[in-house]
Amino acid sequence: AQTVTQSQPEMSVQEAETVTLSCTYDTSESNYYLFWYKQPPSRQMILVIRQEAYKQQNATENRFSVNFQKAAKSFSLKISDSQLGDTAMYFCAFTPGANSKLTFGKGITLSVRP
Amino acid sequence: DTAVSQTPKYLVTQMGNDKSIKCEQNLGHDTMYWYKQDSKKFLKIMFSYNNKELIINETVPNRFSPKSPDKAHLNLHINSLELGDSAVYFCASSQAQGGWYTGELFFGEGSRLTVL
Repeated sequence: AQTVTQSQPEMSVQEAETVTLSCTYDTSESNYYLFWYKQPPSRQMILVIRQEAYKQQNATENRFSVNFQKAAKSFSLKISDSQLGDTAMYFCAFTPGANSKLTFGKGITLSVRP
Repeated sequence: DTAVSQTPKYLVTQMGNDKSIKCEQNLGHDTMYWYKQDSKKFLKIMFSYNNKELIINETVPNRFSPKSPDKAHLNLHINSLELGDSAVYFCASSQAQGGWYTGELFFGEGSRLTVL
């Protein structure tokens, strides 16, 4: 069974600074997909970034980038130039691709301070 | 246009009642889901349907019965509600590509169910 672990329950960062959110996962699959989803106080789940395991290049979306270490089964999210609107819960998620099950970590609450 | 819409967004009811949550997606996706987010914000898949067929059922009590009349709709009916059913229920959809699920889910806004 696949598991996703987010060991930090919460983090805080000053506006305009950089923060890194950690995630590890466990799987025996060789190909899979990893995600970071954001859930602001409005409750809507929003996809932040996606990484395909067979791609060695780390995914980047504007201020958001990942550090994907396949051998270590680590998938961290870096948020550069943090903005107040980044305040939210962030969930790391995994899917093997062969089925539709997306497994989430417990999430981390990120607060951006003005 | 809302891509994935759920109704109602809030539901307060008494223990023992039966309630339904409806979900519709206008993205043309072939796969729909129900996820439950508990009071600790933990998200867990309940059901997944592909083209109206149930493909994932994650040991959910029989009191929960999903129904997909067509691939754009997935409803959730809950019988004999219990206090522990209080949660936010999210509907989501995605598009499989050649039988492969890339996992990019589009979520509805969630339906907060409170059982008293």
